[in-house]
Amino acid sequence: QKEVEQNSGPLSVPEGAIASLNCTYSDRGSQSFFWYRQYSGKSPELIMFIYSNGDKEDGRFTAQLNKASQYVSLLIRDSQPSDSATYLCAVNMGRGSTLGRLYFGRGTQLTVWP
Amino acid sequence: DAMVIQNPRYQVTQFGKPVTLSCSQTLNHNVMYWYQQKSSQAPKLLFHYYDKDFNNEADTPDNFQSRRPNTSFCFLDIRSPGLGDAAMYLCATSTIGGDIQYFGAGTRLSVL
Repeated sequence: QKEVEQNSGPLSVPEGAIASLNCTYSDRGSQSFFWYRQYSGKSPELIMFIYSNGDKEDGRFTAQLNKASQYVSLLIRDSQPSDSATYLCAVNMGRGSTLGRLYFGRGTQLTVWP
Repeated sequence: DAMVIQNPRYQVTQFGKPVTLSCSQTLNHNVMYWYQQKSSQAPKLLFHYYDKDFNNEADTPDNFQSRRPNTSFCFLDIRSPGLGDAAMYLCATSTIGGDIQYFGAGTRLSVL
C-alpha cells in the first residue's frame, strides 16, 4: 500500500513566524517529492520540488528531505496571511509504465493570523 | 501563455444525467491525468493517458470514462452521476518521464 501521510492540522501561526509542515511516505524507493499549495476552491499550485537529501531553498520556502527516514518537510519563513491555504505533499511512487504517478497526502491546513 | 484549461469551471447536473468535463492543454505534454478531489481529501487519481495509451486506476468506478481524441484534449465522462460524485475534478499534464504535473483550474461538479 503506497501512502503519504501529513500532520492533519489545522496549523495556526502568527504573521512573521515560521510554519513547519511535515510529510512521511511509505515507498522507500521514491525519488521525487513535491509541495503544492491549494487555496480554498482552487486547484493545486506547485511551490517546491526536491529530489536529493538535504535542504532546498526558494525565497521564503525551504523543502527538507530525508530519504532514510522517509520524511519530507516544508518550512515557510516570515509567514504571511496570504500563505493561508492547504499544503499538499505529493510523492512520485511510479515505476515503469506508471512513472510520474503521484500520490498525494490529505493536506495540512495552514492559517496565518495578523 | 502555455496552460491547462478546464471547462466548465462549474457544472451542475441531475442525478443520473450524463455529464462531460473537458480539458485542453497548450503545453504539448504527452501525459494527461484526471483526479477527483472531495472536500478535505487528497486528490484521487482516476486515470491517465500516456499519449493514446489509457491507464485506469483499479478502484475507478465503471461510471467514469475518458476520451483523448488528440494530444491537446481530454474528456471525462460520467455516465450516471450519483450524489457521491459531487467533487472538484482536476486535470493535469506532464511530459513522459517527467514528474512535475501542471494542473488546470478544476471543474466543480454538483449533482442535484
